[in-house]
Formats: sequence, structure tokens, C-alpha cells
Amino acid sequence: AQSVTQLGSHVSVSEGALVLLRCNYSSSVPPYLFWYVQYPNQGLQLLLKYTSAATLVKGINGFEAEFKKSETSFHLTKPSAHMSDAAEYFCAVSDRPEYGNKLVFGAGTILRVKS
Amino acid sequence: KAGVTQTPRYLIKTRGQQVTLSCSPISGHRSVSWYQQTPGQGLQFLFEYFSETQRNKGNFPGRFSGRQFSNSRSEMNVSTLELGDSALYLCASSLATRVDTQYFGPGTRLTVL
Repeated sequence: AQSVTQLGSHVSVSEGALVLLRCNYSSSVPPYLFWYVQYPNQGLQLLLKYTSAATLVKGINGFEAEFKKSETSFHLTKPSAHMSDAAEYFCAVSDRPEYGNKLVFGAGTILRVKS
Repeated sequence: KAGVTQTPRYLIKTRGQQVTLSCSPISGHRSVSWYQQTPGQGLQFLFEYFSETQRNKGNFPGRFSGRQFSNSRSEMNVSTLELGDSALYLCASSLATRVDTQYFGPGTRLTVL
């Protein structure tokens, strides 16, 4: 079964600094990978997804992620953090995509942005 | 286009009771998935329905059940509630038959006393 590991339950950056949130996956088949963001008391919002097209995926709000098969990684980056980026971020992999939609999530990383 | 809606948003129940949560997907979406989110276990997949049939099921006891109606609306039911069932229950809908973007609702916060 697929699994996802997010390194760092909490990440703190200064406003304007680079954001790097790490995600490693385990999959026996070519994976479908996703990053979601969750603001307090809200559901999950899709930031971006990888579905075996370009390895560098651009998402909303200036975020992007690079799929690296050799490293089984799908790290999320943003060049310059904004206060509004403070939220919890989840990396997810689609488990057995031939059978439909089932996402396996990482434990999440809470991003704090300091002014 | 309206997003995924979930009702109620908040619910308080006592142990032993049962509860039904409702999810209305985005118009045109035929797949509805349910997830449980807790501080200890994180986000866990409960089940997925597509065209009124359960297509996937997670590792939850039989007290957790669901169904989907012909208009794609879905309900999940938890019987004989336990304290550990306190969680945020998230519903997600998607368009396609295979892997597709899942759009999440705001969730239902269930508290079991």
C-alpha cells in the first residue's frame, strides 16, 4: 500500500523567505500525488497535483512542487512566504488509482509565517 | 458553481447514540469520498461511493456505513458512538471515474460526550 511521510510537523519561516515543505512517498506503481492546504475550521483546498505529466508542477498561490522519482519525493516550495500562507499542509498519494479515488495523507505540516 | 456542502457543521452526541451526516457534491460529480480527521490519527479514508455503489472502503469498523443516492448526495452513519469517534468528518467529491481532483467540503465537527 502507498504511504506518505511529511518531514517536520511544524515549519516556521519569515515573511518573504523561501517555503520548503517536504514529502516522501512510498508507492509500488506510478503515483498520483497531491498537496492540499487546510485553514483553521475549514476543509482541504487543492494546491496542486502530479499525474505523470511534467515533473515540475505549478499550483495556486505561487506554490510549486517537483516530482523526483529517484528520491521518491514531492516537496512543496514557494519562493516568498506571505502571512496568508500560514496553515496546515498535507501531502497525499492516490492509493490504487485503478480502483478510483482513495487518498492516503501524510501527517501534515503546520506552516508558521513570522512577520 | 456551488462547492461541496456538508450538514450539519457541528454536532454533539453522547456515547451509544447514532448519527447521520450529509454531503452534497458539486453538481455533476458522481464520486463522493468520506474521510475522518483526528489529531491523533490524522486524515483517514472511510469509503468512496460512485454511482450509488461503494467502490472503496477503509479500515473502519462496521459501525461506520454510508450510502449514495441517485442525485449523488451521500450520507454516512455512525452507530453506537464511542468517544474516539469525535472528529472532523470531511466529504470530497470528484468528477471522473478514476483518479481525479477531489474537492472537499468544510466538514462536520462531531463531538461525542
